[in-house]
Amino acid sequence: QTVVTQEPSLTVSPGGTVTLTCASNTGAVTSGFSPNWFQQKPGQAPRALIYGTSSRYSWTPARFSGSLLGGRAALTLSGVQPEDEAEYYCLLSYGTAWVFGGGTKLTVL
Amino acid sequence: QVQLQESGPGLVKPSGTLSLTCAVSGGSNWWSWVRQPPGKGLEWVGEISHSGGTNYNPSLKSRVTISIDKSKNQVSLRLNSMTAADTAIYYCAMNFGYWAQGALVTVSS
Repeated sequence: QTVVTQEPSLTVSPGGTVTLTCASNTGAVTSGFSPNWFQQKPGQAPRALIYGTSSRYSWTPARFSGSLLGGRAALTLSGVQPEDEAEYYCLLSYGTAWVFGGGTKLTVL
Repeated sequence: QVQLQESGPGLVKPSGTLSLTCAVSGGSNWWSWVRQPPGKGLEWVGEISHSGGTNYNPSLKSRVTISIDKSKNQVSLRLNSMTAADTAIYYCAMNFGYWAQGALVTVSS
């Protein structure tokens, strides 16, 4: 069974920088997994942030950046704002199936 | 501007069949269904291309059918043999970039 793992929770101070990661139990995550990242706030639908490892949507703030880091997909938030407090999900492609990570609850404190 | 809208019953009886539709725009896109049980993470259900090609979550493949009606600009989800474990918010999404608001489906007698 394919499992995608994210940090369950992270805390960051306003103005700080934090990196969320996304690992696959099948091995190193590469660009071939086409990593996507989403932000979800309570009571709202997910909002897409990053696709294809590092491409931003037109609405994605520049402080969000995607990359590959140490065999994992990574989402880095630089200059964190209070409104960035949310659940973040990664999504990986396994050819004919997609698998979401379990989510990272980001607290801005 | 891309807008997606789901419609369908909010209550399904145990062992019954869920039917949801999503009004979509045309073009060379993939439309996915994603679900989220209350208080839990996101789960990819399946996807369909504009030409009708489908991929399904292996854990749901025996129970799920996704179809497209180009004349009505609609994508449909059917999930049979529903149980309480299928209670969730069901989202349709286009290329994972654009998401509908979600439809809460409860399985109960």
